[in-house]
Amino acid sequence: EAGVTQFPSHSVIEKGQTVTLRCDPISGHDNLYWYRRVMGKEIKFLLHFVKESKQDESGMPNNRFLAERTGGTYSTLKVQPAELEDSGVYFCASSPISGLAGGRYNEQFFGPGTRLTVL
Amino acid sequence: GIQVEQSPPDLILQEGANSTLRCNFSDSVNNLQWFHQNPWGQLINLFYIPSGTKQNGRLSATTVATERYSLLYISSSQTTDSGVYFCAVSPGGSQGNLIFGKGTKLSVKP
Repeated sequence: EAGVTQFPSHSVIEKGQTVTLRCDPISGHDNLYWYRRVMGKEIKFLLHFVKESKQDESGMPNNRFLAERTGGTYSTLKVQPAELEDSGVYFCASSPISGLAGGRYNEQFFGPGTRLTVL
Repeated sequence: GIQVEQSPPDLILQEGANSTLRCNFSDSVNNLQWFHQNPWGQLINLFYIPSGTKQNGRLSATTVATERYSLLYISSSQTTDSGVYFCAVSPGGSQGNLIFGKGTKLSVKP
């Protein structure tokens, strides 16, 4: 079974440009999460999809970030326009069943991340 | 919000030594996971352990949810165990998103 995949692995752009990150979750996983780690800080939650619906986007830093999940499959995260402070590693994770199962949320599996550098 | 504290922040071991990493959390949780971030930056799942004890080879983990802590044990450490170990929890009442600790950076010397 293929794991979570992310594209590109690295992206270097200039301030003011647009970048789109892609995440393909594990097949059949309803839940898709985006996280990021900016330099020197801990990994932080950005948003959560259940199938194609945004369940929680409380972690999105501002309206320069737009996430979509077409048809409940892959997801994209667009940053427009990019700023210097957006540099970091963006992780995607997926888990199988939405909601609580037996009182517990399911295990999340992470992709390799996209390292974004804004110059 | 919930606080996740990991200790120690840094740990240096000689190959073959044992170690215990700790994760304290300030509120009830519905999920707790341990990860190893390898030198390439990838997060490798070690344990999904909201409660109880699990073992996988030289690694084992215990979560005591009522006392709000989890421990990760590494026995007979190897140089390939080096990297950052993260604890992450999903707070009770959340939608499952993980809150990460700052990690423990482990260096195993040959």
